[in-house]
Amino acid sequence: NAGVTQTPKFRVLKTGQSMTLLCAQDMNHEYMYWYRQDPGMGLRLIHYSVGEGTTAKGEVPDGYNVSRLKKQNFLLGLESAAPSQTSVYFCASSYISSQETQYFGPGTRLLVL
Amino acid sequence: QKEVEQDPGPLSVPEGAIVSLNCTYSNSAFQYFMWYRQYSRKGPELLMYTYSSGNKEDGRFTAQVDKSSKYISLFIRDSQPSDSATYLCAMSGSNDYKLSFGAGTTVTVRA
Repeated sequence: NAGVTQTPKFRVLKTGQSMTLLCAQDMNHEYMYWYRQDPGMGLRLIHYSVGEGTTAKGEVPDGYNVSRLKKQNFLLGLESAAPSQTSVYFCASSYISSQETQYFGPGTRLLVL
Repeated sequence: QKEVEQDPGPLSVPEGAIVSLNCTYSNSAFQYFMWYRQYSRKGPELLMYTYSSGNKEDGRFTAQVDKSSKYISLFIRDSQPSDSATYLCAMSGSNDYKLSFGAGTTVTVRA
């Protein structure tokens, strides 16, 4: 039981490049979330999903897209990276509601030059 | 003004001291209150979860919620170097799709 895993762990991008961050969970959770964490800002929700095939915008969705084609996977895409997207990205999942315990992955550190 | 305010610290205490962490919030609809612990370069993990006003104790940890003052606290008794981490408060209303997080307080317990 691996919990929540994230790929890659670290990436350096040039401005304008694109990339996809992959999140996988093996706990059969319905809800999945993508957050970014910046110094002094706490965790801010980018996008979330309440089930396979669904996605919705969070607090800071601009510049990101997501897909949830399979229940266990949640992908975060950056179509044209900007230096403002330099951050640590965390994926999380919870069983059936946002009020339940969220289980976090180890994070992806992204540096956009 | 942020929905959830948390002093980022940092906080440095000697081993064995009591650590006191606090968050205030502005949204009276919040009903679920959590504390997450995050070690350096790791993801957050749930430490305490409370629903109602009052105290909840789990070993060396006590979570306190005062809904009338919109104030929550986490106390760590007999602090250990292994408690050195960032502590994030989080909260949610019953109809919310998300958690609202504080900025996190970084705690160092000196041996």
